[in-house]
Amino acid sequence: ETGVTQTPRHLVMGMTNKKSLKCEQHLGHNAMYWYKQSAKKPLELMFVYNFKEQTENNSVPSRFSPECPNSSHLFLHLHTLQPEDSALYLCASSQFQQDLEQFFGPGTRLTVL
Amino acid sequence: QKEVEQNSGPLSVPEGAIASLNCTYSDRGSQSFFWYRQYSGKSPELIMFIYSNGDKEDGRFTAQLNKASQYVSLLIRDSQPSDSATYLCAVKGGGSNYKLTFGKGTLLTVNP
Repeated sequence: ETGVTQTPRHLVMGMTNKKSLKCEQHLGHNAMYWYKQSAKKPLELMFVYNFKEQTENNSVPSRFSPECPNSSHLFLHLHTLQPEDSALYLCASSQFQQDLEQFFGPGTRLTVL
Repeated sequence: QKEVEQNSGPLSVPEGAIASLNCTYSDRGSQSFFWYRQYSGKSPELIMFIYSNGDKEDGRFTAQLNKASQYVSLLIRDSQPSDSATYLCAVKGGGSNYKLTFGKGTLLTVNP
């Protein structure tokens, strides 16, 4: 595997379900990010982890719970979501404190029924 | 509230023409500017970044930055149908090591 991978690529869940999104980066980076991309809206930064420590929570509802067990893996645990949470969830990684690009994974297309 | 504004388009140009994509930003302390390309159903990929006022060229792409006017643009010369995508402008604020603020993107269509 190379770059940033995400699983699953597509997810349909009911409002009472609990599911998790997984992200893995193979680039040796030390920062990982979760973004939400909704139709007709800019990419929204949700969470940032730097060396496994959460450095930003961008006022995200508690029904989204991130976990970063090490600098290569990032999870987003989902529970009691709302239909308006349906979106493309993108994971990205970068080298923290260097003015370099963020590399994005392919995303998980989430639909909440 | 730091904002990045882009014309949502769609911007339609004929094959071989120059496509001009524009972006303005509100945070005067912004230091770094990025252009990402996103094909439909795919994730964003970096096209170019620019830090200093002036032009930066890479192949058919030229990024232009004017910090006094808080304006950054992307020119695509000899546009190809494969350039058809949404182009996202992203800005890294001054003092931030990581946080990018994205615009909504401009949809570009290159007609054969």
